[in-house]
Amino acid sequence: AQTVTQSQPEMSVQEAETVTLSCTYDTSENNYYLFWYKQPPSRQMILVIRQEAYKQQNATENRFSVNFQKAAKSFSLKISDSQLGDTAMYFCAFMKADRYAGGTSYGKLTFGQGTILTVHP
Amino acid sequence: DTGVSQNPRHKITKRGQNVTFRCDPISEHNRLYWYRQTLGQGPEFLTYFQNEAQLEKSRLLSDRFSAERPKGSFSTLEIQRTEQGDSAMYLCASRTLVYTGNNYGYTFGSGTRLTVV
Repeated sequence: AQTVTQSQPEMSVQEAETVTLSCTYDTSENNYYLFWYKQPPSRQMILVIRQEAYKQQNATENRFSVNFQKAAKSFSLKISDSQLGDTAMYFCAFMKADRYAGGTSYGKLTFGQGTILTVHP
Repeated sequence: DTGVSQNPRHKITKRGQNVTFRCDPISEHNRLYWYRQTLGQGPEFLTYFQNEAQLEKSRLLSDRFSAERPKGSFSTLEIQRTEQGDSAMYLCASRTLVYTGNNYGYTFGSGTRLTVV
């Protein structure tokens, strides 16, 4: 079974500054995907960024980037130029790669406990 | 693509009553997932369907919980004899195996918040 741990229950940052959210995971799988999801107060889960484990290059999406350390099983999210709209709960999530998951775990996400991020004006 | 729709958005019920939630996935998505999210925690997997077949159930899904997806379209999650510990947000997500963008086809609904009093 996989576990995902987010050790920062709450973080805060000033608008326009940079903040890093931490995530570690434990798995015996070699092929998997990692995700960061954002859940604003409106509750719908929105994908922020994803990383395939087989890729060494860290994923980047505009102001969001990750630091993926496969050997250390670490997957942190860096938000640059923070905006007020970034205020939300952020979840790190793990998924076995579909091709290797087998029929019964196809696409199941395992989430961390979440980090509440507050961006202050 | 109108997204994943969940109804009702909120449900307050008395302990011991039965409740049923509905999820309407994106029409071309053949995979459907239910998650439960308690306050301040991450979602936890409950069950998943491929078309109309329920292929996996979590140990969290006690005998009081049942889920269906008739004809592989919408899904219902029923909780019988509700307990206060069932109070949570119930999230539905649907997915296609056609990878679109960078989301691997996953789309979440806004959830149904259940409060058992």
